[in-house]
Amino acid sequence: GAGVSQSPRYKVAKRGQDVALRCDPISGHVSLFWYQQALGQGPEFLTYFQNEAQLDKSGLPSDRFFAERPEGSVSTLKIQRTQQEDSAVYLCASSLYRTRNNEQFFGPGTRLTVL
Amino acid sequence: AQTVTQSQPEMSVQEAETVTLSCTYDTSESDYYLFWYKQPPSRQMILVIRQEAYKQQNATENRFSVNFQKAAKSFSLKISDSQLGDAAMYFCVLTHAGNMLTFGGGTRLMVKP
Repeated sequence: GAGVSQSPRYKVAKRGQDVALRCDPISGHVSLFWYQQALGQGPEFLTYFQNEAQLDKSGLPSDRFFAERPEGSVSTLKIQRTQQEDSAVYLCASSLYRTRNNEQFFGPGTRLTVL
Repeated sequence: AQTVTQSQPEMSVQEAETVTLSCTYDTSESDYYLFWYKQPPSRQMILVIRQEAYKQQNATENRFSVNFQKAAKSFSLKISDSQLGDAAMYFCVLTHAGNMLTFGGGTRLMVKP
């Protein structure tokens, strides 16, 4: 079966542009997470969905960041008016259920570079 | 708030030897899970091993084992018989309440042939 996929794998944006990053979770996975990984650091939590409901968005760094999962499968992370500090790898992960021991399966990430 | 600290930014090991990666954490929760994730240069994060906080027995997965010291809030990873394919970034990770993962800063492991 296919794993978590993300597109595009690489994105270069000029400062001020809007970008949209896509995540296709594993089919049937209820939970979906977005993380931001700055160069040389560990990933940091951005937001979490259970089906189509966004249950936690406490990690979103500003109101320029917006995420959605309208049909409970594919998710899109949108960044408006990109800034240089938004440059990072954006990781998507999915898991079957929302339980403490449930493994999160990660996608390959989208590397965003803001010039 | 919960935190995870990895004090070794880089480690190296000779092929076939054993290496231990360190991790300390802090949480106010009594029920939580700890993980080690591996991130090879291709960036796909892979689960290596998991430990339930309520279990005293240390988890083992083939060549990978952990030393979980709950009172000291320490969770180290031992890799035995290191292989070239073990070279990667290793992240110590904490979770509770079933949602977000809290990552440490990572340890880059280099394996020398």
